[in-house]
Amino acid sequence: SQKIEQNSEALNIQEGKTATLTCNYTNYSPAYLQWYRQDPGRGPVFLLLIRENEKEKRKERLKVTFDTTLKQSLFHITASQPADSATYLCALGLTGGGNKLTFGTGTQLKVEL
Amino acid sequence: DVKVTQSSRYLVKRTGEKVFLECVQDMDHENMFWYRQDPGLGLRLIYFSYDVKMKEKGDIPEGYSVSREKKERFSLILESASTNQTSMYLCASNPTTNEKLFFGSGTQLSVL
Repeated sequence: SQKIEQNSEALNIQEGKTATLTCNYTNYSPAYLQWYRQDPGRGPVFLLLIRENEKEKRKERLKVTFDTTLKQSLFHITASQPADSATYLCALGLTGGGNKLTFGTGTQLKVEL
Repeated sequence: DVKVTQSSRYLVKRTGEKVFLECVQDMDHENMFWYRQDPGLGLRLIYFSYDVKMKEKGDIPEGYSVSREKKERFSLILESASTNQTSMYLCASNPTTNEKLFFGSGTQLSVL
């Protein structure tokens, strides 16, 4: 069966460290992958998109990698800050899937002082 | 900035009621979506629309219908609300296929 897996347990890290979040998938052929941030009681906000032919994308302190062989994307936040505390969602856009995104359940990140 | 506005943040309805959730976007986007979000299940697509009066079923359309009479407005309808439809409902839009989604703030619906 098709599955998108993100760490269900919260990730706690210290301010200034690099946070690394994982998105694994099985039985999908994604054309692209997106990462979103969601704060409590709010809708998700888009962060980065990476396509199947791209290995890495960066935006300020954010970096995303995409390994279609391992069926995995890693999302990194460098020099993390308490304001980065939120839930992070990965979403797959499938080959031939039109405009539909399939979301993972998200990983909660807590950055402590 | 693109704005996607959902008409209510919180809504409490009774079982069997007909419920309308409204969503408006102000950036002339072609595509609009309705998701529901439940703990442990993530966001699941209910319906989407790629043009006025056009709609397609998502992954969990049962018990829902939609209406898109104008480009900027996409309504989700629960014909007869049930307790298992208690959830956070999120509307989203994007300008073209395979682009990022812009989400509204969500409507927390409780069906008693």
